[in-house]
Amino acid sequence: DTEVTQTPKHLVMGMTNKKSLKCEQHMGHRAMYWYKQKAKKPPELMFVYSYEKLSINESVPSRFSPECPNSSLLNLHLHALQPEDSALYLCASSQESSASQHFGDGTRLSIL
Amino acid sequence: SQQGEEDPQALSIQEGENATMNCSYKTSINNLQWYRQNSGRGLVHLILIRSNEREKHSGRLRVTLDTSKKSSSLLITASRAADTASYFCAPNNAGNMLTFGGGTRLMVKP
Repeated sequence: DTEVTQTPKHLVMGMTNKKSLKCEQHMGHRAMYWYKQKAKKPPELMFVYSYEKLSINESVPSRFSPECPNSSLLNLHLHALQPEDSALYLCASSQESSASQHFGDGTRLSIL
Repeated sequence: SQQGEEDPQALSIQEGENATMNCSYKTSINNLQWYRQNSGRGLVHLILIRSNEREKHSGRLRVTLDTSKKSSSLLITASRAADTASYFCAPNNAGNMLTFGGGTRLMVKP
């Protein structure tokens, strides 16, 4: 069991669909992250929220839209994705930006 | 941000043997973190070593840090089949985000 919960665990969607990935933590962490990980590659940072404000956007295409409704929740809204966006999407949280990060088990996303 | 580079990329050992993985990085750091990832799962934090520390232990794990050489090593002693995973180092600069290196894929054969 992890302290960061991601839903759904698996998602298959077409290129015209709109879906959302969800992430929740109740550790009181104030920094939350989205990563994208392709097979046999390291996680790549997408977005960072610090105190519920977007602090880093690593040049991610606009078809990925993050949202932080409150300090415990982080969403990633998906629209008009491409087949190359198929990957494992990982959420993480930390007490602060330089502290150790706690990861969820990810959402395995497949784009048809 | 900065990226660590792990060496070797892959390592295969027998159960009971020790496994050593190395990490090199380019610029000054606030701390360096090691993570493990089992297949299809999220990353698990193993150890954080600060720039003013030289060695740190946690159970069967021993991490060293040499800031003059900009390198770190992770030693797993008395390895077990359950240690089979990918291991990533993540150099961290204060106020900066983690950037993971390519990782070392460790296989421990029973």
